[in-house]
Amino acid sequence: AQSVTQPDIHITVSEGASLELRCNYSYGATPYLFWYVQSPGQGLQLLLKYFSGDTLVQGIKGFEAEFKRSQSSFNLRKPSVHWSDAAEYFCATFTNFGNEKLTFGTGTRLTIIP
Amino acid sequence: SAVISQKPSRDICQRGTSLTIQCQVDSQVTMMFWYRQQPGQSLTLIATANQGSEATYESGFVIDKFPISRPNLTFSTLTVSNMSPEDSSIYLCSVGRGATGELFFGEGSRLTVL
Repeated sequence: AQSVTQPDIHITVSEGASLELRCNYSYGATPYLFWYVQSPGQGLQLLLKYFSGDTLVQGIKGFEAEFKRSQSSFNLRKPSVHWSDAAEYFCATFTNFGNEKLTFGTGTRLTIIP
Repeated sequence: SAVISQKPSRDICQRGTSLTIQCQVDSQVTMMFWYRQQPGQSLTLIATANQGSEATYESGFVIDKFPISRPNLTFSTLTVSNMSPEDSSIYLCSVGRGATGELFFGEGSRLTVL
C-alpha cells in the first residue's frame, strides 16, 4: 500500500516569508499525490494534485508543489504567506492504485507570526 | 466540484448513547467515504459506502460500532454507537470524482462524548 510521510509536525513562519512543507511518499510507480488544507473548524479543501505530466503543479491560493521522483517527495511551497494561511496541511495519496481511498500524512500545523 | 452537507455540525453526547450523522451530496456519486479525525490527529478512513450494498470497513472499525446506511446516490448516514469519550472526534464525509481522483469533503461533524 502507498503511504506518505510529513516529517514536520509544526512550522512557524513570519507573514510575508516563503514556505515549504515537506511530504515524502512510498511507492515504486508514479503515485497520485494530493495536498489538502484544513482551516480551524473547517473541513478539508484540496489545494492541488499530481497525477502525471509536469512535475510542478499549481494550486489554489498561490500554492504550488513539485514532484521529485529522485527524492520521493512532493513538497508544498508558497512564496509569501498570509496570516490566513494558518491551518493544518495534509499530504495524501491513494491507499492502493485504482481506488479512491485516501491515506493521509500526519499533517503539518502552520502558524503565521506577524 | 461537489457540495457536501453534514448534520449535525457538532454535538455533545453522553456516554453510552448513539448519534447518527447525515451526509447529503448535491449530485449523484457512486462511492461515499467516512473518515474519523481524532483530536490533534490525521484522518483515518472508517468505511466506504456504496449504494445498494453493505459498507466496506477498514481494519479496526466494525459495523456494530459504526453502522452505515446508503439508501441512494446522494445520501449516507454514519452512526456512532454506544459512545465513549474515546469516540470524541471529527467525523467527515467525502465523495470522489472517479477518474480525476479528487475527493471532496464535508465540513465535518465534531462530536464530544462526556
